Amino acid sequence: GQNIDQPTEMTATEGAIVQINCTYQTSGFNGLFWYQQHAGEAPTFLSYNVLDGLEEKGRFSSFLSRSKGYSYLLLKELQMKDSASYLCAVSPNSGGYQKVTFGTGTKLQVIP
Amino acid sequence: GAVVSQHPSRVICKSGTSVKIECRSLDFQATTMFWYRQFPKQSLMLMATSNEGSKATYEQGVEKDKFLINHASLTLSTLTVTSAHPEDSSFYICSARERLGVDSPLHFGNGTRLTVT
Repeated sequence: GQNIDQPTEMTATEGAIVQINCTYQTSGFNGLFWYQQHAGEAPTFLSYNVLDGLEEKGRFSSFLSRSKGYSYLLLKELQMKDSASYLCAVSPNSGGYQKVTFGTGTKLQVIP
Repeated sequence: GAVVSQHPSRVICKSGTSVKIECRSLDFQATTMFWYRQFPKQSLMLMATSNEGSKATYEQGVEKDKFLINHASLTLSTLTVTSAHPEDSSFYICSARERLGVDSPLHFGNGTRLTVT
C-alpha cells in the first residue's frame, strides 16, 4: 500500500524561506513529484526527484532521501502568490504507465 | 509544453441526470489518462485509469457503472457521471503523461466543478 504524510497547514512570511516536508511508505518507489495547486484550480508540476539529493529550480528546490522515505520542498523569497496547496506524490514503479498517489497536501499561507 | 484541456469547467445538473466531461491532450498523444476526484480541502483521489482502445481500470470503491469512461482516441477520454446525486458534487480532474515512463510528470486539465442539485 501507499502512505504519504504532509503537514496540513503552514504559515510563512513574505520574503522568508519555508520547508514543506513529505514522508512516504510505499510498496514500490520510483520517484517523487511536487505539485502546486491554487484554490479551485488544477495542480501544476513543480519537480520530480528520482535520485537522492537536492535539485534547485529558481526559488523552488526539492530534496529526496530514498533510504529515509523523505522529501521536502523548499521555497525561498516567498511571494504572496505562493499561497497555495503543495502536494507531494509518489510514482510507484518503473516502466510503463503507473498510477501516481498523492499526499493530502500542505496548505501554505504567505502573510505580509 | 504538454497541454491537457478539460471541458466543461463548471456544470450544474439536477439529481438523476447524467453529465459528460471531456479530457483532451492537445499537443501529444495519450494512450493512458487518469481521472481524479477532489472533495473540498482534501487531496486528489484517483478514480480510474482510462486506456485507449480498452476498458478502464477502476480504483477500489469506484462504481464503474456509475462513472463511465470512454477513451476512443489517443487524444480524448470522457467521463460520464450517470444518475448523478448530490454526493457526486465534487471537483473532477483528468491528467495524462506526455510520454511513456514514470518520470514523465502528469499534466492536468483545469478540472470540472460538478454541482448536483
